[in-house]
Amino acid sequence: DAGVIQSPRHEVTEMGQEVTLRCKPISGHDYLFWYRQTMMRGLELLIYFNNNVPIDDSGMPEDRFSAKMPNASFSTLKIQPSEPRDSAVYFCASRSGTHFYEQYFGPGTRLTVT
Amino acid sequence: KNQVEQSPQSLIILEGKNCTLQCNYTVSPFSNLRWYKQDTGRGPVSLTIMTFSENTKSNRRYTATLDADTKQSSLHITASQLSDSASYICVVSDRGSTLGRLYFGRGTQLTVWP
Repeated sequence: DAGVIQSPRHEVTEMGQEVTLRCKPISGHDYLFWYRQTMMRGLELLIYFNNNVPIDDSGMPEDRFSAKMPNASFSTLKIQPSEPRDSAVYFCASRSGTHFYEQYFGPGTRLTVT
Repeated sequence: KNQVEQSPQSLIILEGKNCTLQCNYTVSPFSNLRWYKQDTGRGPVSLTIMTFSENTKSNRRYTATLDADTKQSSLHITASQLSDSASYICVVSDRGSTLGRLYFGRGTQLTVWP
């Protein structure tokens, strides 16, 4: 398996623009997580899905952020409108329901909002 | 307040030397504690996961300890190698749900010099 796939790897956009980050989890994994990592705050869980259903979105910073998982092999994290403080590395991770503790992270998307 | 504190924030050691990283937490109730290694520009990779009943767990040159009474964990790296240079993140999970809420430390940045 290729592991968790994220795209794009780098994104530079101007303030006010819409940004869409994409994630393909490991095949067969039924949990998917979106994280954000910054120097100031470290790694933060934004939202996670189980069987394509959002379970906990309490980490989503505000209404400008939204996440979807239309099927088991694809998820998006959208920021609209983007702001400079959204600049961070966004990670997607997935795990199997039978391996309760193990999460596999993607390579991340480095977002820069100017 | 549930928190995870790691020390030191950064550490520089010479190749071949040993080192110990610390993680103190106030998360309650407690389910499990994980140590992740994050190479620069990559996603975190799990090193070890410890549950309440486990005191010590080894993974090659990495040995993690857990003292659930004092709410402390350590990660000991033996005979360090240049490839050990990375950020090491401690993550604690509570038992609030099937998944457990995750609490992240800010990480210890380890640099191994030749």
